[in-house]
Amino acid sequence: GQQLNQSPQSMFIQEGEDVSMNCTSSSIFNTWLWYKQDPGEGPVLLIALYKAGELTSNGRLTAQFGITRKDSFLNISASIPSDVGIYFCAGQLLNNDMRFGAGTRLTVKP
Amino acid sequence: NAGVTQTPKFQVLKTGQSMTLQCAQDMNHNSMYWYRQDPGMGLRLIYYSASEGTTDKGEVPNGYNVSRLNKREFSLRLESAAPSQTSVYFCASSGTSGVGDTQYFGPGTRLTVL
Repeated sequence: GQQLNQSPQSMFIQEGEDVSMNCTSSSIFNTWLWYKQDPGEGPVLLIALYKAGELTSNGRLTAQFGITRKDSFLNISASIPSDVGIYFCAGQLLNNDMRFGAGTRLTVKP
Repeated sequence: NAGVTQTPKFQVLKTGQSMTLQCAQDMNHNSMYWYRQDPGMGLRLIYYSASEGTTDKGEVPNGYNVSRLNKREFSLRLESAAPSQTSVYFCASSGTSGVGDTQYFGPGTRLTVL
């Protein structure tokens, strides 16, 4: 169906390192979004992508909407301890339904 | 602005009990959503309301009912709770139901069904 495969499931990195995570699907999505969730909180939107091929940055974060509209990646450069959390990709369908990936749990060691 | 608020924050139910989760937003948003989040999984859409007076099923609607009481409030009801409904429930809202419109999430309700 319209499931999203997000990888990796978890990452343990050193402060200052760059991070890359991605989502793929067998279905086409009209919008890709990346969220961050801190413990005990709801997800917070980081970046939204609206067009195939679009590359968007938000500070140290960069995300791209794949040309096939079936994938997206998120990069975090020069990681800092407050980047710790769970990152979710989400794809939005034409009928406004949303599908979420299972999340990437990021740990940053100082 | 409080954004999206949810009550209660925590709840424990016995199998077969019923309860209603409350959600309210003060951003004058048209669309509201209910999700559940289970360990190791992303959020799954239960129901959504594109505008006041309308509701639609999402990915996992079975065992739930919703009511869009007015523009501000969207409640989720479990008529007969089951252990499989143990989860964290998130409410969200967006300005419109248009593609790409940003959804803002509440802090969640942790529900345990024994």
